[in-house]
Amino acid sequence: GQNIDQPTEMTATEGAIVQINCTYQTSGFNGLFWYQQHAGEAPTFLSYNVLDGLEEKGRFSSFLSRSKGYSYLLLKELQMKDSASYLCAVHSNQGGKLIFGQGTELSVKP
Amino acid sequence: NAGVTQTPKFRVLKTGQSMTLLCAQDMNHEYMYWYRQDPGMGLRLIHYSVGEGTTAKGEVPDGYNVSRLKKQNFLLGLESAAPSQTSVYFCASSYRIRRKLASTDTQYFGPGTRLTVL
Repeated sequence: GQNIDQPTEMTATEGAIVQINCTYQTSGFNGLFWYQQHAGEAPTFLSYNVLDGLEEKGRFSSFLSRSKGYSYLLLKELQMKDSASYLCAVHSNQGGKLIFGQGTELSVKP
Repeated sequence: NAGVTQTPKFRVLKTGQSMTLLCAQDMNHEYMYWYRQDPGMGLRLIHYSVGEGTTAKGEVPDGYNVSRLKKQNFLLGLESAAPSQTSVYFCASSYRIRRKLASTDTQYFGPGTRLTVL
C-alpha cells in the first residue's frame, strides 16, 4: 500500500526554527517534494529531494533518508507569511504520479 | 507566461447537472493532472495525461471524464454532478527536472476551481 504521514498542525514563534516531518511507505520511489499552500490558494513548489541528504534553498531546507522512508522540511527565521499548509508528496515510479500527504498546517505567532 | 490557468474560479451546480472545467497551460508541458482537495483528505488525483490525446485514471476517477485534445488544454467533465463532488479542483502541469543521477517531474498548479453541488 501507499501511505504518507505528517503532523496535522504545528505552531511556532516568529524568528524561530521549525521542522516538519514526513514519513512514507510507497510502492516505488522517484523523489520527494514539498509544497507550500496558503489558505485559499494553489500549492506552490518548495523543494525536491531524490538522493539522501540535505537540499538548502534560502530559509528552507529539505532532508531525505530513503532507507528510513523519512523526510523533513526545515524553516529558519520564521516569518508571519510562513503560516500555511506544507504538503509532502512522493513521486511514485509507478505511472509517475505524485502521492500527497494530508498536509501540515503551520501557524506562526508573534 | 500565464502559467496554469483554470476556468471557472467558482461554480454552484444542482444535483444531476453537468459541467466542464477547463485547464490551460502555456509552458509546453507534456504532463497534466486534475486533483480534488477536500478537508482532511489532502490532494487526490482524479485523472492525468502524459501527452496530447492520452489520458489515464488516477486515484478517484469515478464520476469524472477528461479529454486532452490539445497539448495546452486539459478538460475535466462532470456528467451528472453529485453533492459528494463538492470540492476544490486543482489542475497541474509538469516538466521533467534532469539531474546527473536522477530526474523527476515538478508539478505546477493552477489557482483552483471551487465547486459546490447542491
